[in-house]
Amino acid sequence: KQEVTQIPAALSVPEGENLVLNCSFTDSAIYNLQWFRQDPGKGLTSLLLIQSSQREQTSGRLNASLDKSSGRSTLYIAASQPGDSATYLCAVRKGAQKLVFGQGTRLTINP
Amino acid sequence: ETGVTQTPRHLVMGMTNKKSLKCEQHLGHNAMYWYKQSAKKPLELMFVYSLEERVENNSVPSRFSPECPNSSHLFLHLHTLQPEDSALYLCASSQGRGPSYEQYFGPGTRLTVT
Repeated sequence: KQEVTQIPAALSVPEGENLVLNCSFTDSAIYNLQWFRQDPGKGLTSLLLIQSSQREQTSGRLNASLDKSSGRSTLYIAASQPGDSATYLCAVRKGAQKLVFGQGTRLTINP
Repeated sequence: ETGVTQTPRHLVMGMTNKKSLKCEQHLGHNAMYWYKQSAKKPLELMFVYSLEERVENNSVPSRFSPECPNSSHLFLHLHTLQPEDSALYLCASSQGRGPSYEQYFGPGTRLTVT
């Protein structure tokens, strides 16, 4: 059974710092991995999707890496801003439709 | 309206009530999903519909009954729920069923069962 773990569960950093969020998964047979952002009381916004054949994806200040063999992904956020405060969820695609989610990292950027 | 919308946004119901959650997607997608997000647990897939046909039921209790009348609308009918069913229920849609298709999520319905 695929399990996804995100560490840390919560993170608080000063504005302007670069930071890394971690995601690990137990079964390396995945189609792709996706990072989402969830603001309080709201749905999920997709940030980056990495196919299993890719090593990384970049979008603006965000960079996500994937090491399928070791079952790990990282989300790097450069020059963090208070607006980056949210819960970040990692999910792996196992099967045609099934997304398996981690519990998320709650990120707070302090002005 | 754009994207994926869900109504109501908040719902409080007793254990003997019957209510329905509604999801509508304006993206022209062919697949729709229900997810449950409980406190301190990861998001869990409940149901998958593709071209209005249910293709996956993730061992969900029968007190949750999905309905997909067309490719744009998805309902979750609720009856005789338990307090542990209190959660955020998220709807999502995708263009197709394959793994390369991203899922787009709605804002969710916050359900409280008293």
